[in-house]
Amino acid sequence: NAGVTQTPKFQVLKTGQSMTLQCAQDMNHNSMYWYRQDPGMGLRLIYYSASEGTTDKGEVPNGYNVSRLNKREFSLRLESAAPSQTSVYFCASSEQSGNTIYFGEGSWLTVV
Amino acid sequence: EDQVTQSPEALRLQEGESSSLNCSYTVSGLRGLFWYRQDPGKGPEFLFTLYSAGEEKEKERLKATLTKKESFLHITAPKPEDSATYLCAADYGSGNTGKLIFGQGTTLQVKP
Repeated sequence: NAGVTQTPKFQVLKTGQSMTLQCAQDMNHNSMYWYRQDPGMGLRLIYYSASEGTTDKGEVPNGYNVSRLNKREFSLRLESAAPSQTSVYFCASSEQSGNTIYFGEGSWLTVV
Repeated sequence: EDQVTQSPEALRLQEGESSSLNCSYTVSGLRGLFWYRQDPGKGPEFLFTLYSAGEEKEKERLKATLTKKESFLHITAPKPEDSATYLCAADYGSGNTGKLIFGQGTTLQVKP
């Protein structure tokens, strides 16, 4: 039972490069989320998908795009990476919006 | 402004020394208060959800309580393996977005 799986776990990018963080869940959950965690800032919501086919902005969406590929998969794309996007990114899912959210193990991204 | 504040930021305990972590919230229309445990290099792990003032939940050495303004995570006779960062988060507002606002966490160290 893998739960929420994220790839890659570690990535170093140069400023201006693009990349996609992949996320998949095997719990048949309807809702999926992307958070970032920075020292002193706590976890902040980037984007979420309440159900397959829908996506909405969270607290800090600028510089990111998302795709809800199907019920299982929710990807996060950085089109032109900036040093300010250096962070730990967590994908999460819940059965429905408002239910308990379960997190993946995180992706450590450094932009130089 | 809706916010969640945790105190203290860091807590050092001797094994067996009981204590409490505080999570105060100022949000409009709290729908649920979540507690998570996060180990270094890992994603947050779900502990409890509390929905109404007066509610209590227990798991091993941990007990979470909720009032109209704050939540407490009581740790009874802690062991070194309880060392981690404890996060609280509030689900609030109208609509069924499932968006959480997180506190910055309390880092607990339990010494043998």
